[in-house]
Amino acid sequence: KAGVTQTPRYLIKTRGQQVTLSCSPISGHRSVSWYQQTPGQGLQFLFEYFSETQRNKGNFPGRFSGRQFSNSRSEMNVSTLELGDSALYLCASSIWDGLYEQYFGPGTRLTVT
Amino acid sequence: TQLLEQSPQFLSIQEGENLTVYCNSSSVFSSLQWYRQEPGEGPVLLVTVVTGGEVKKLKRLTFQFGDARKDSSLHITAAQPGDTGLYLCAGRGNAGNMLTFGGGTRLMVKP
Repeated sequence: KAGVTQTPRYLIKTRGQQVTLSCSPISGHRSVSWYQQTPGQGLQFLFEYFSETQRNKGNFPGRFSGRQFSNSRSEMNVSTLELGDSALYLCASSIWDGLYEQYFGPGTRLTVT
Repeated sequence: TQLLEQSPQFLSIQEGENLTVYCNSSSVFSSLQWYRQEPGEGPVLLVTVVTGGEVKKLKRLTFQFGDARKDSSLHITAAQPGDTGLYLCAGRGNAGNMLTFGGGTRLMVKP
């Protein structure tokens, strides 16, 4: 099976702009979660989608949003970018089986200047 | 808020040495997972432990879940340079599908 894919892999944006990141889960995985990874804060949970519905949300401002499509592909959007949004954004998919084991993509490295 | 503390944060050892990484919390988790992340890649799942007191072995890696399901450890025997990476523990609470990650242990194994 193909793994989780994320596009783009690298992105440079300017403060105030918005950005959309894309994630394609492993075939058959219907749960998609997004995480932000920074050197200072580590890996932090953003939100989880299952069957096109947001099921869980982490402690991030409303500038961070996401959605999931009927084919389980997911996008996340960050509006009004701030310097502190520079991070590695990771997408992970999982089977809805109770264990919630995450299969991560390679991430999108976002740099805000 | 559930927190997971990992120790040590950094570990540099010689090939062949043994090491243990700890993951501690004051909260109870329904399950705990360990991941390894290499530069430029996403974390890769190593193991999931579910039952208090559970011990799982993966070749030279031994994982243990505390009896009270509040802590876990990862022991590596005869470390090899290929073990180098960032080791992350992640706990799943009892409500919902949210993982709380520890801060990570960066391991370097020198040949």
